[in-house]
Amino acid sequence: GDSVTQMEGPVTLSEEAFLTINCTYTATGYPSLFWYVQYPGEGLQLLLKATKADDKGSNKGFEATYRKETTSFHLEKGSVQVSDSAVYFCALSANLGGFKTIFGAGTRLFVKA
Amino acid sequence: GAVVSQHPSWVICKSGTSVKIECRSLDFQATTMFWYRQFPKQSLMLMATSNEGSKATYEQGVEKDKFLINHASLTLSTLTVTSAHPEDSSFYICSARSLAGLYNEQFFGPGTRLTVL
Repeated sequence: GDSVTQMEGPVTLSEEAFLTINCTYTATGYPSLFWYVQYPGEGLQLLLKATKADDKGSNKGFEATYRKETTSFHLEKGSVQVSDSAVYFCALSANLGGFKTIFGAGTRLFVKA
Repeated sequence: GAVVSQHPSWVICKSGTSVKIECRSLDFQATTMFWYRQFPKQSLMLMATSNEGSKATYEQGVEKDKFLINHASLTLSTLTVTSAHPEDSSFYICSARSLAGLYNEQFFGPGTRLTVL
């Protein structure tokens, strides 16, 4: 079945470092892909999305490109801040006998000052 | 736009009591609402999918008699945890998909933390 795999954390970086969080997916159809961010004690917030191959989603300095050939949607940011510390979830949405969203396990990011 | 609220944001109850959690789409109509459960430091686990006016579809392993879901209108779904026990303590998150269903996007509520003593 459809699934999402993302790199295990935690990821610890210094402020202004470059961030990459890998995400790959398996899907039978053409899903939409998302990155969500969860701050401590809060629900999920949509960070960015891409709906078709080669689309690039971007928001708040984060970006990810929908790569159909490698079934990937890696999250990147050129210079992280302490305030970026959170858990990041990669997800796909598709019609799987009804609309469903499948989440990766989440990657916790710590950014040190 | 596309705001989803949950109430309450946290609740503490005694073992054996029932707790109701509300999920509302504030500025759009939601054809479908989803209920997730999240354990500490883990991902979201889909519990059930509810469509307005029809019975919820529960994921395998989720007790439908324990987690009662009602989706009475296009803007409100409720999750009732019946006869709650300490193992039901968790973070419950709802999400809603808009009538327009743009890009298969879901909008998430802020979550409800349930603690059962």
